[in-house]
Amino acid sequence: RKEVEQDPGPFNVPEGATVAFNCTYSNSASQSFFWYRQDCRKEPKLLMSVYSSGNEDGRFTAQLNRASQYISLLIRDSKLSDSATYLCVVRGSSGTYKYIFGTGTRLKVLA
Amino acid sequence: DGGITQSPKYLFRKEGQNVTLSCEQNLNHDAMYWYRQDPGQGLRLIYYSQIVNDFQKGDIAEGYSVSREKKESFPLTVTSAQKNPTAFYLCASSGTGTATNEKLFFGSGTQLSVL
Repeated sequence: RKEVEQDPGPFNVPEGATVAFNCTYSNSASQSFFWYRQDCRKEPKLLMSVYSSGNEDGRFTAQLNRASQYISLLIRDSKLSDSATYLCVVRGSSGTYKYIFGTGTRLKVLA
Repeated sequence: DGGITQSPKYLFRKEGQNVTLSCEQNLNHDAMYWYRQDPGQGLRLIYYSQIVNDFQKGDIAEGYSVSREKKESFPLTVTSAQKNPTAFYLCASSGTGTATNEKLFFGSGTQLSVL
């Protein structure tokens, strides 16, 4: 089993749609969780950190479920510019600064 | 401006040749990382370093070597033992110790190809 797993997609959605991605992780001692966005052949950029209480940034909402070991990302009112690959990232146990990436979920927003 | 600089942007390797990818950061981050990305794939960890003069193997360290003699620099050598080196290589850094500075920041990447 991979340490961090994501559905690779692609998810093809119309503009204005709401889309959700999930990510599961295998290490129950994982400390920190993030969503990154990557455009084709560019470096990943931080979209948002994911906190236990859930957090929102504009049209984006992230949730963490430690009991089931998954994190989610919800995008509301999708824009064409949201088309990208979304990477789930998990940092290991306390004191370990090892970040593990999921394979990414590809999103294509259609006009 | 603070950031991470990777060079070169494109690199070509001949058979049997070692090549070194440069990564420099001026963010005063303790931890630095090298990832490899193949087309349509996620990022796989090659090596990481949490402090100067110390580094650990990631999931795919075979055929690669690193050094961390200075806090700012973490060069990656792709040796001739790496039989399939063609990939996009990404260097990253992060702070340690607090939630606000533990995010990963990336350089713009080096595309390595075999001639």
